[in-house]
Amino acid sequence: GNSVTQMEGPVTLSEEAFLTINCTYTATGYPSLFWYVQYPGEGLQLLLKATKADDKGSNKGFEATYRKETTSFHLEKGSVQVSDSAVYFCALSNSGGSNYKLTFGKGTLLTVNP
Amino acid sequence: DTGVSQDPRHKITKRGQNVTFRCDPISEHNRLYWYRQTLGQGPEFLTYFQNEAQLEKSRLLSDRFSAERPKGSFSTLEIQRTEQGDSAMYLCASSFGGAGRATEAFFGQGTRLTVV
Repeated sequence: GNSVTQMEGPVTLSEEAFLTINCTYTATGYPSLFWYVQYPGEGLQLLLKATKADDKGSNKGFEATYRKETTSFHLEKGSVQVSDSAVYFCALSNSGGSNYKLTFGKGTLLTVNP
Repeated sequence: DTGVSQDPRHKITKRGQNVTFRCDPISEHNRLYWYRQTLGQGPEFLTYFQNEAQLEKSRLLSDRFSAERPKGSFSTLEIQRTEQGDSAMYLCASSFGGAGRATEAFFGQGTRLTVV
């Protein structure tokens, strides 16, 4: 079956530090990969996605590259801000567009201090 | 469009009672999903509708759970004879899917259920 393993949290960084949150997956076929973010008191929001190998998703300074050879989709940001404090979820869908059912990791809590 | 909305945002109920949650998806979205999220875990898929048809149900959806989407618009999730283990955040999401085109899933803010 499908599964997503992501870096255990919590992660605490100072403002302007470099961020990496590791994510690896197990899936059949060719899944699409996603990072969702959940800010305090808000619903899940799509942060970025990649639909095929070697694609790079990017948004708001965050990036992640779909690495099929290592089954990974690590999230990176060069300089985090206090406003990036949130829970980050890695997820996959391998329905080929016919069904957007998502399999999520457990989430990683990021706290950025001024 | 105001996005996916869920009602109520919070529900406290006594063990053994029935509860019903409502989800209003984004208006043009034909697909609707229910997920459950417990503390410290990622969301887990419960069920999926395309228009009014319920096309997939997870093993997590015991016979005490029932979901409907009668007119292909809003959806309800009912839990009968609630148990303490049902305490969780129930998330609804919607997306559009059709020949040659699909959007990502947009999530509501969830309904937090506490069974006491």
